[in-house]
Amino acid sequence: DSGVTQTPKHLITATGQRVTLRCSPRSGDLSVYWYQQSLDQGLQFLIQYYNGEERAKGNILERFSAQQFPDLHSELNLSSLELGDSALYFCASSPNGGVQETQYFGPGTRLLVL
Amino acid sequence: EDQVTQSPEALRLQEGESSSLNCSYTVSGLRGLFWYRQDPGKGPEFLFTLYSAGEEKEKERLKATLTKKESFLHITAPKPEDSATYLCAAPSGGYNKLIFGAGTRLAVHP
Repeated sequence: DSGVTQTPKHLITATGQRVTLRCSPRSGDLSVYWYQQSLDQGLQFLIQYYNGEERAKGNILERFSAQQFPDLHSELNLSSLELGDSALYFCASSPNGGVQETQYFGPGTRLLVL
Repeated sequence: EDQVTQSPEALRLQEGESSSLNCSYTVSGLRGLFWYRQDPGKGPEFLFTLYSAGEEKEKERLKATLTKKESFLHITAPKPEDSATYLCAAPSGGYNKLIFGAGTRLAVHP
């Protein structure tokens, strides 16, 4: 158990809908990362937050957005969902978001868009 | 463009048959090379971080090594419970955004 929690574990929804994925980092970690893992793309970095502020952005679609709250939990919002958004979404955390820090991953949310 | 490539894609071993997984990287100013283990449907589990060429780290039957161009994950006398996908990753672009290789799917049979 990494100490990172994610809810829900599974999500089934329809195209065009909007969902919110939630992540709580390890105790004491200030930085949160979101990754998407699909069969054809592997693990892809989406976005990083540090203490409530966006720090780095990867291949995140405009339909997707995230935020980190004062209690350090983070939410990833996915809207206008398409079939291709079906994937595993992982959250990771690290103490200060530094380049050499180890990221610890949560158990993931499996999203299925029908 | 920063890139991480793993080989082989899949590896089947008999229990006790040692082998190595390869991770080659082209990353400007490498700031760490990370190894993770991932079981089906689960989140990646951290194994090792290597920071400089020549560095080695060990944990049970696993040993990770790093050169200037690649890293190896050596598995000695593997057991069926070592079956998993092994991922390597490196930070890219001056931030801690990890770029991952596609992974090596390891199956160890009794």
